[in-house]
Amino acid sequence: DTEVTQTPKHLVMGMTNKKSLKCEQHMGHRAMYWYKQKAKKPPELMFVYSYEKLSINESVPSRFSPECPNSSLLNLHLHALQPEDSALYLCASSQSRDSVFRTQYFGPGTRLLVL
Amino acid sequence: KNEVEQSPQNLTAQEGEFITINCSYSVGISALHWLQQHPGGGIVSLFMLSSGKKKHGRLIATINIQEKHSSLHITASHPRDSAVYICAFNSGGSNYKLTFGKGTLLTVNP
Repeated sequence: DTEVTQTPKHLVMGMTNKKSLKCEQHMGHRAMYWYKQKAKKPPELMFVYSYEKLSINESVPSRFSPECPNSSLLNLHLHALQPEDSALYLCASSQSRDSVFRTQYFGPGTRLLVL
Repeated sequence: KNEVEQSPQNLTAQEGEFITINCSYSVGISALHWLQQHPGGGIVSLFMLSSGKKKHGRLIATINIQEKHSSLHITASHPRDSAVYICAFNSGGSNYKLTFGKGTLLTVNP
């Protein structure tokens, strides 16, 4: 199983809503990532978890709150978002910190629209 | 100057043509990745290279570390190859961060 799954596929939310994005992998990977991608732009790294601990936060606003409850699951909690946060949110995972195993496997993404 | 440059930005080909997409980078890297993204879709990792050449089906990726250059080749292109192809790299150490190129939009016409 070389799959990263993300739910939901699409999400529409108002600026006062609270919602969560979910990412799951069963490849035994110990590094997991959240990216944000705007149309026609490359992905931008948001957060990296390594062994269930947050290791990189790319100065992301606090209205985005990541959580890694276990080694297979990564959540992104959303609260009081702005319309400019509308984007494709991609999750990825990789096996470990070792340079040999840095292939990142990406999920299909959640397309988020903030009204 | 961006750390990674891809060329061309857009490429249109006829089915069956041989395709080459180029990627140049300006820093030391530990691994270079070629990724594929279909319109509106998620990203698929095609190759991870640290030296030499890799082949998977009709796709071939090469890297020249001394020249800081990588190429992605597609033989016998097909309309289903139409996608954005992105070059990205890790710059070593414990840095998980991928630095992405801006992508090459490939359209293969039947």
